Amino acid sequence: DAGVTQSPTHLIKTRGQQVTLRCSPKSGHDTVSWYQQALGQGPQFIFQYYEEEERQRGNFPDRFSGHQFPNYSSELNVNALLLGDSALYLCASSLTGYDQPQHFGDGTRLSIL
Amino acid sequence: AQTVTQSQPEMSVQEAETVTLSCTYDTSENNYYLFWYKQPPSRQMILVIRQEAYKQQNATENRFSVNFQKAAKSFSLKISDSQLGDTAMYFCASNGAGTYKYIFGTGTRLKVLA
Repeated sequence: DAGVTQSPTHLIKTRGQQVTLRCSPKSGHDTVSWYQQALGQGPQFIFQYYEEEERQRGNFPDRFSGHQFPNYSSELNVNALLLGDSALYLCASSLTGYDQPQHFGDGTRLSIL
Repeated sequence: AQTVTQSQPEMSVQEAETVTLSCTYDTSENNYYLFWYKQPPSRQMILVIRQEAYKQQNATENRFSVNFQKAAKSFSLKISDSQLGDTAMYFCASNGAGTYKYIFGTGTRLKVLA
């Protein structure tokens, strides 16, 4: 039973570029959340997708956008990259419902030069 | 707004001993959920234990147990018979009923010594 898978593992970009990160949820899960984890910090919620729509959003600018596909996989897009966007980006999947625990992937390490 | 505070940046414990990690939180929700996640150097965040606020009984998962004090808004994690594989960052998190986002603390780095 595959868990949450994320790609790529590492990514290096320069300021001003755009990036797309991908996530496949754990089998049977229909909800995907994205978090940003800066070095030495706890993860911060970016947004959650359910039924191909953004259901809830954290305090992140519009440069951060996402998408969920009919097979429940998801993408996180970040435009106009800033140095401060360097972080570990974690994807978490769950069954729908706020009482359902979220299961995390290994993350994508994004470095901005 | 919900907040989660972990006041111990680093801790160490001898193998086979018991260690307790502290977490306090603040919320205006009547019902909410509390979690402890473990993040080893491999990066994957692994769910250790989960507590529903309306349940008074403390959650237990094998060597891991919690001390949930709702009035004090405290949610500590006890690890018994510590093993080398328990070495990791431990994050406390919460989410309120009706919200899907988890609020995480800043983490406690636990090192188990041989």
